Amino acid sequence: DGGITQSPKYLFRKEGQNVTLSCEQNLNHDAMYWYRQDPGQGLRLIYYSQIVNDFQKGDIAEGYSVSREKKESFPLTVTSAQKNPTAFYLCASSRGLAGAYEQYFGPGTRLTVT
Amino acid sequence: GESVGLHLPTLSVQEGDNSIINCAYSNSASDYFIWYKQESGKGPQFIIDIRSNMDKRQGQRVTVLLNKTVKHLSLQIAATQPGDSAVYFCAVSGGGSQGNLIFGKGTKLSVKP
Repeated sequence: DGGITQSPKYLFRKEGQNVTLSCEQNLNHDAMYWYRQDPGQGLRLIYYSQIVNDFQKGDIAEGYSVSREKKESFPLTVTSAQKNPTAFYLCASSRGLAGAYEQYFGPGTRLTVT
Repeated sequence: GESVGLHLPTLSVQEGDNSIINCAYSNSASDYFIWYKQESGKGPQFIIDIRSNMDKRQGQRVTVLLNKTVKHLSLQIAATQPGDSAVYFCAVSGGGSQGNLIFGKGTKLSVKP
């Protein structure tokens, strides 16, 4: 089965704690992305990576960090510096840059911070 | 910068009718357009895409129309079924070197039996 997996589906944390969201893909895609989705809003880009060991900030990178040590994996850490971390987080991948190829999305992780 | 907007946040149709969901974009350099379907609590699913060298593209029960003159994109769903109930949103290439997609906010389609 090819696709993108995100885990866990639901995540609860206390304020002030860092938390890492997992994203794995077996589609052999070069590019991977993290988005945040809030109710009634479009997807907002947090970070993206075009290739292993390289990543770029998106529109709302403050308070987040990523790594891309393997082609298949692109974990996202939500740090305590993120002022409003409760949201639905979506990981995606594409063959190349998304301006030329469709993005495939994972099932999402709903993070709740109290 | 690029912006993408939808004309209606919600759309309610009768089962069996055709549905039309619209999207407007601002960057005339955008050359790749995608429609996604998102069911509650799930990740978006790719429906259909179109490139700027085309005006129309058809899939199974879906058609995407692109009007580059007025920077407008629409998704038509034929014979809408209850399983089509979801949020639909368009994504547009930014047209710049970043090469990323700009997403609209979505239209929630409800299908009445």
